[in-house]
Amino acid sequence: ETGVTQTPRHLVMGMTNKKSLKCEQHLGHNAMYWYKQSAKKPLELMFVYNFKEQTENNSVPSRFSPECPNSSHLFLHLHTLQPEDSALYLCASSQEVRASGPTETQYFGPGTRLLVL
Amino acid sequence: ELKVEQNPLFLSMQEGKNYTIYCNYSTTSDRLYWYRQDPGKSLESLFVLLSNGAVKQEGRLMASLDTKARLSTLHITAAVHDLSATYFCAVDRSSNYKLTFGKGTLLTVNP
Repeated sequence: ETGVTQTPRHLVMGMTNKKSLKCEQHLGHNAMYWYKQSAKKPLELMFVYNFKEQTENNSVPSRFSPECPNSSHLFLHLHTLQPEDSALYLCASSQEVRASGPTETQYFGPGTRLLVL
Repeated sequence: ELKVEQNPLFLSMQEGKNYTIYCNYSTTSDRLYWYRQDPGKSLESLFVLLSNGAVKQEGRLMASLDTKARLSTLHITAAVHDLSATYFCAVDRSSNYKLTFGKGTLLTVNP
């Protein structure tokens, strides 16, 4: 596998279900990101991890819970979601996040298309 | 709050024609990115523009940056069907290492 992979690619879940999205990067990067892409809206940054530490939570509801066990893997645990949470969830990675200075180029995975019924 | 606006949001053009997509942003920025997204697929990095006057070209696409005007352009020359995709610009600020994306421009190139 190369680049950034995400599983599953498609997910349908009820509002009472619990599911997890998985992201894996094979680029030797140290920063990983979760984005939400909804129809007719710009990409929204959700979470950022740098060297396994969460550095950003962009006011995301607690029904989304990220986990980063190591620099190569990132999970997004989902529970009691709402229909408006249906979207494409994209994972990305970059070399690292620096305390100052511009961001490094981010490499995106194919996304998980989530439908909440 | 940094805002990024792209226009047009939808662009239908004929093969062989030229066109430009515009990306305006509201505050000073350190880098500007252009990404391409094919339907059902991920975002692919096209260009990174680092400084005022920067120009980069790849095939039929050319991107430029005017930091004084807070404007980047993506120019398409002699469009071909393979260029059909959604194009996003994204801007970052070193103060918070976040990328702020535009809404994207859905480009359709018709034969």
